[in-house]
Amino acid sequence: QVQMVESGGGVVQPGLSLRLSCAASGFTFSSYAMHWVRQAPGKGLEWVAVISYDGGNKYYADSVKGRFTISRDNSRNTLFLQINSLRAEDTAVYYCASGNYHRAESWGQGTLVTVSS
Amino acid sequence: NFMLTQPHSVSESPGKTVTISCTRSSGSIASNFVQWYQQRPGSAPTTVIYDNNQRPSGVPDRFSGSIDSSSNSASLTISGLKTEDEADYYCQSYDNSNPYVVFGGGTKLTVL
Repeated sequence: QVQMVESGGGVVQPGLSLRLSCAASGFTFSSYAMHWVRQAPGKGLEWVAVISYDGGNKYYADSVKGRFTISRDNSRNTLFLQINSLRAEDTAVYYCASGNYHRAESWGQGTLVTVSS
Repeated sequence: NFMLTQPHSVSESPGKTVTISCTRSSGSIASNFVQWYQQRPGSAPTTVIYDNNQRPSGVPDRFSGSIDSSSNSASLTISGLKTEDEADYYCQSYDNSNPYVVFGGGTKLTVL
């Protein structure tokens, strides 16, 4: 069955960097666009970024543009999110999701990033 | 970019029918497909409706989606409410000018 497992979250000091991973299985990873979506504690869903099936196109929410980088390794069925210059407002559960450019289909369980000194 | 506005909360009794609205602030609701996601407490979101009115396999037909151009809104209707339907529901669409994905603020459904 379709499964996505995020990892790499944790407690990080402001200004530092973090790399999140999303290991996918149960579907043809290289055929799907992939998204990162985050959810701050007690808040709603916020779209972060999307990458095309081949990694050739990447788009970001204005709120993260310039600090976040989405990438993928289709040989390892893995999606990544590099987060630099972490801020308190980046504290959230980060979900990866498969789909197309315009929607998510299947979601992972999420990984919690806490930015705190 | 446009916004999607949902009611903060709705409540209804088991066995009844509830409708959650999602109003697009600018541009036509019919221009881009709308999705609906369910998020139960402590869990990740799951898709219950995609492309306005399509149900993924495994989603019961108690869930249905529609759009209304006159009100520029989309709706999620859940009939025969069950306590397990208690969750947050998010609508989502996108903009033709870029692939930015837009989420509504979410609606908390209470089944009491």
